[in-house]
Amino acid sequence: DIVMTQTPLSLSVTPGQPASISCKSSQSLLHSDGKTYLYWYLQKPGQPPQLLIYEVSNRFSGVPDRFSGSGSGTDFTLKISRVEAEDVGVYYCMQSIQLPPGLTFGGGTKVEIK
Amino acid sequence: EVQLVESGGVVVQPGGSLRLSCAASGFTFDDYTMHWVRQAPGKGLEWVSLISWDGGSTYYADSVKGRFTISRDNSKNSLYLQMNSLRTEDTALYYCAKDTRQYQLLNAIDYWGQGTLVTVSS
Repeated sequence: DIVMTQTPLSLSVTPGQPASISCKSSQSLLHSDGKTYLYWYLQKPGQPPQLLIYEVSNRFSGVPDRFSGSGSGTDFTLKISRVEAEDVGVYYCMQSIQLPPGLTFGGGTKVEIK
Repeated sequence: EVQLVESGGVVVQPGGSLRLSCAASGFTFDDYTMHWVRQAPGKGLEWVSLISWDGGSTYYADSVKGRFTISRDNSKNSLYLQMNSLRTEDTALYYCAKDTRQYQLLNAIDYWGQGTLVTVSS
């Protein structure tokens, strides 16, 4: 099965400063159809996860442009250009390249405000 | 507006059974694969199962295979999860979730419900 490893485990950021989260997969997420099946979610406190980024670098509807995704193959990064108070929560990367096993999530990165 | 509303979560004894339901609205339900994802208290996200738009294909995580059964009733815009032989490690918030693309077995999740809490305890 594909293992998703996120670093760091937690991040404390001053408002207005950038933040970066890394996600590494145990095998390539590039499919033969040309798409890379890597996604980013944010789970705010007490809420379900919400989709931020799909297929590595595409922002989902309504997601602010301070969020960006990059990477290829097995190494991916989520960047927040200027962290705001509303960005606190746990960020998860997720892969969906093969069935089975289905969807696999990273362990999560908790972002808090200094 | 997409809405997913789960129900059925309760406290149940180990070895017991439970059926979760999810009522969907705001999109053409029978066009999309649907998922169940769970989150143990204070832990991360674990995918549980998916069912194709027509109910013809189902997949399960190894941790629940043989114990859980996913199903759907497109005439009622509803998704279900039958949970048998429950274990303490099945204690979690169970989310109903919608796949992103029409008529694709697996892509990703774009919308989630608020979840329903299942507690397995004696």
